[in-house]
Amino acid sequence: KNQVEQSPQSLIILEGKNCTLQCNYTVSPFSNLRWYKQDTGRGPVSLTIMTFSENTKSNGRYTATLDADTKQSSLHITASQLSDSASYICVVSRGGGFKTIFGAGTRLFVKA
Amino acid sequence: EAQVTQNPRYLITVTGKKLTVTCSQNMNHEYMSWYRQDPGLGLRQIYYSMNVEVTDKGDVPEGYKVSRKEKRNFPLILESPSPNQTSLYFCATHLGGRRNTGELFFGEGSRLTVL
Repeated sequence: KNQVEQSPQSLIILEGKNCTLQCNYTVSPFSNLRWYKQDTGRGPVSLTIMTFSENTKSNGRYTATLDADTKQSSLHITASQLSDSASYICVVSRGGGFKTIFGAGTRLFVKA
Repeated sequence: EAQVTQNPRYLITVTGKKLTVTCSQNMNHEYMSWYRQDPGLGLRQIYYSMNVEVTDKGDVPEGYKVSRKEKRNFPLILESPSPNQTSLYFCATHLGGRRNTGELFFGEGSRLTVL
């Protein structure tokens, strides 16, 4: 069964600290993996995309990793800011790209 | 500015009263889809459309209808809403064919409550 599982479900950190969010998937055939950020009451916005051959990709303070062998991805946030408080959703596309499977998301709270 | 516009953003209705949530995009994307988001379940696809007059069921299509008469519009129709359709709804688009990178562009969401 094609599934995307994220952990933790929620996370509270202090401003300035780093954190890592996890995504495990069983989607096949794999096309690509995206991390989205969803602010409260808004639609998700893409942060980064990972294809099969990519191991690491950065977007500012966000760094995504992908291990295609173990089917795991992580999103590392460096020097967190209050504006990082949001839900982070891992999304895996199956071959061809039209079928996408969403994780349930990790809710991140950054406190001052 | 590239936009996906949904209306209404908020709606409270009663069981059985037909309603339509509109979605319009100005990016000339071929692919449009509707999702519902419920706590703990993530986004689930309701219906999708690969182009004008081409629609297909997603994972949770029961109780919904869609149409794609124009490329820019993809309305979601609830013929007889029920309380279990209370949810946050998102319309999303992306490019089709070889230009497809898989990136979805989402609207701002429509929060629907069915009493």
